[in-house]
Parts: sequence; C-alpha cells; structure tokens
Amino acid sequence: GENVEQHPSTLSVQEGDSAVIKCTYSDSASNYFPWYKQELGKGPQLIIDIRSNVGEKKDQRIAVTLNKTAKHFSLHITETQPEDSAVYFCAASRSQAGTALIFGKGTTLSVSS
Amino acid sequence: GAVVSQHPSWVICKSGTSVKIECRSLDFQATTMFWYRQFPKQSLMLMATSNEGSKATYEQGVEKDKFLINHASLTLSTLTVTSAHPEDSSFYICSARDGGQVYSNQPQHFGDGTRLSIL
Repeated sequence: GENVEQHPSTLSVQEGDSAVIKCTYSDSASNYFPWYKQELGKGPQLIIDIRSNVGEKKDQRIAVTLNKTAKHFSLHITETQPEDSAVYFCAASRSQAGTALIFGKGTTLSVSS
Repeated sequence: GAVVSQHPSWVICKSGTSVKIECRSLDFQATTMFWYRQFPKQSLMLMATSNEGSKATYEQGVEKDKFLINHASLTLSTLTVTSAHPEDSSFYICSARDGGQVYSNQPQHFGDGTRLSIL
C-alpha cells in the first residue's frame, strides 16, 4: 500500500520568511496530493492540492510542486505570518472516489514575530 | 464550500460504555466516508472506509466488532465505539468526498473531530 514520508517534523521560522515542507510517496499509481492545515483541537482543513497532470500550483502565498518521476512533492509558504503556525499534513491517494487519503506524519510549523 | 459536521465534539464517559459519533455531509452527498483516529501529536490513521448501503471496509488491526460503522444514508455515517476502555481514548475524525462517480475530482473534507475520553 501507499506510504507517505514527511519532513521536517518541526519547523521554526521568523515572520516574513519562507517555509518549505517536503513529502515522498511510494505508490506510483497515486495521482492526487493534497495538503492540510490542522489547528489545535480541530479537524484538518484543505489548503491546496495538486494532481499528477501538473507540476506546480499556486494560491497566493502557498504553492505546491510535484515531481512524479522522483515521487515527491513539496509545500512552499512565502511571507509567513504568525497565523500560519499549525500542523501541516501532506497526503496522497488515487483519485477514485472510494480511495482514502494516506497521510504523512505532519510538520509543526511555528512562525515567530 | 463542502461542509462535514461531526457530533459530538467531546465525550467523557465511564469504561464499558458504548459511544456513538455522527458524521454528516451538510451540503453534498457522500457515497463514501472515512474514519480516522489521531493520537496526540501524531498523524491521522485510517480506521475504516464507510460505504453507503454496504458494509464498511476496515484497515488491518482495527476490530470491526469494537468499532461499528453504519452508513445508512448518503449524508450520514456513524461510528460506535462499543464497550469503550481507556485505551480507546483518542481524537476521532471523519471525512467525506463530494461525488458518487468512480473517479471524483472533488477533494476530501474533514469534520472537526470528536475527542473521546474514557475514564
């Protein structure tokens, strides 16, 4: 089955700096890669996703890149703000409706002002 | 956007009690819903896939008689933790994806979770 590795487990940056979180996956048939942000005591919230037919996607300060050959994808947050502090999870799955997401172990991002 | 509502958000009960958690898709229909378990400072671990009108599919190591799943309609799935014990204490989260087709382009949306504490 699918296995998703995520690094780093913790990341501390200064406000305004960029943050990068990286994930690798094992199942070459996976073609959907979302990123979720989880705040304390809440469920994960989708922040951006990418499918295997594109290499990069941007949404304001957030971008995701995908390298299908190497089976890795990354989350880039620019101009970080204290409210970006949270746990971020990457995930992978095949795009079939009944297929569950397999999550990485998470990255705790701390943005200090 | 798509909203998944989970209830209750927090439960404290005595050992031996059975606890039911509801997961509803509020503005879309979900043929399939997923149940995850999350321990403190850990990732989400898939417990089971809930299919409307049929039996749930459980992940290896998850006791189906312990964690009963019922997906009776296209907007509601329930997870019942039977005869709960302290080791069942955890954060339980459901998710659902909008779309009944085999290949769905819709993302998965998560509920806000249920914190279960067994004394």
